[in-house]
Parts: sequence; C-alpha cells; structure tokens
Amino acid sequence: EVQLVQSGAEVKKPGESLKISCKGSGYSFTNYWIGWVRQMPGRGLEWMGIIHPRDSDTRYSPSFQGQVTISVDKSISTAYLQWSSLKASDTAMYYCARLLYYYNSDGYNIPLHFDYWGQGTLVTVSS
Amino acid sequence: EIVLTQSPGTLSLSPGERATLSCRASQSVSSSYLAWYQQKPGQAPRLLIFGASSRATDIPDRFSGSGSGTDFTLTITRLEPEDFAVYYCQQYGSSPRTFGQGTKVEIK
Repeated sequence: EVQLVQSGAEVKKPGESLKISCKGSGYSFTNYWIGWVRQMPGRGLEWMGIIHPRDSDTRYSPSFQGQVTISVDKSISTAYLQWSSLKASDTAMYYCARLLYYYNSDGYNIPLHFDYWGQGTLVTVSS
Repeated sequence: EIVLTQSPGTLSLSPGERATLSCRASQSVSSSYLAWYQQKPGQAPRLLIFGASSRATDIPDRFSGSGSGTDFTLTITRLEPEDFAVYYCQQYGSSPRTFGQGTKVEIK
C-alpha cells in the first residue's frame, strides 16, 4: 500500500527556521517525483514544487522559488520542505504528494498529476 | 502561467441531483493534462480524474470528466451524501503547474 506520512504540526515564531518531512513507503521511492502543495487557511491549493529522489532534480513554482527549499534523502525515502526564516504568511497546511510520470521520446522523465497524498502538516507561525 | 478559473464558486444541490462543474483555462492545456481532485473538510485532496476524462482507481462511475483545449467539465451524475466537498482542477501540461480556485458543492 502506497503511503506518504508527514511530520507533525509545528508552531513557530517569525524568523525561525523549519524543516518538515514526508516519508514514502509501499512503492519504489526513487522512481516517483514528490511534490509539495500549500493550502492557506480557508483557501485553495497552491503547487509549490517537486523533486525527483533519484537525482534531486528540483523544480519550483515561480511563486515559491527562493522562499522555500525542497530536498530529499533517498536513503530513508523522505522528502523535505524547509524555510530559513518563517513569516506569519507561511501559516498553512502543507501537503506532500506523489506524482505519476512518463518518459518522453528523448528519455526524459516527465512529471504528471498527483496520485497519492500525505495527511498534511499544519504550520503555524505566530509571535 | 496558465490560470484556471472554476465556476461556479459554490453549487447548492440536493442528494440525487446532477452536478456540473466547470474549469476554464487561460491558454490551451497541452495534451488534455487536466486533473480533478476532491477535498473534504480536514482531509487531504483525493485524485478523481486525470487526463481530463480518465477515472482514478476506485473512483465511482458517477464521476466523469470531459473537455479539451481550454474548457473542461467534471460531472457527478447523482450526488451521494459523501460527494459534498470542494473540487479542484489542476493542469500539468505546462510549467508552472497550477490549480483552479475550487468549487464547493454544498447540500441545498
């Protein structure tokens, strides 16, 4: 059974750093892209970025480039989302999710849609 | 960036009724790479439809997707009590990938 299990809720102060995690199991972790999605309180879903565990190829939405860092430790099948200096506006639920993929005619691994999701990690940033 | 606009914002219907949700893209979505997700309160989103019209595993056949280019539709033929939720479309044909703002299907 495919599972993505995220780390627990966090309460932080503005300016603090944070790293949350997403551990995959039940499938070959290094074969699938993992992505992160933000959902601010009462709002919709926002695509943040993705990473491929095999080579750490990382792609960010322009809205999140430079604001967060996505990383992975394939030895423990875990992806991460981190902030170096949190802001109150980072308060949100963060979901990780696996992406399906295909290989194009040039042999590149092309990420598609999300199929399995983690349970979410609530991050609260408040002074 | 492709902007996805979902309508209506809220759909008020009774169980057993038909729901029709729209997702309109600001540019053509390549290869009909359009997915629909369902999100219930306090839960993570769940994949319903991918490739505009293919149902994901274990999704009931009352859910169907259609469309191409810039206009896509999610149809729920007979609403069950568990279908009242928020629905999001997402395009994955162009970078950056984007979501629509969501349509809430509520009980009338």
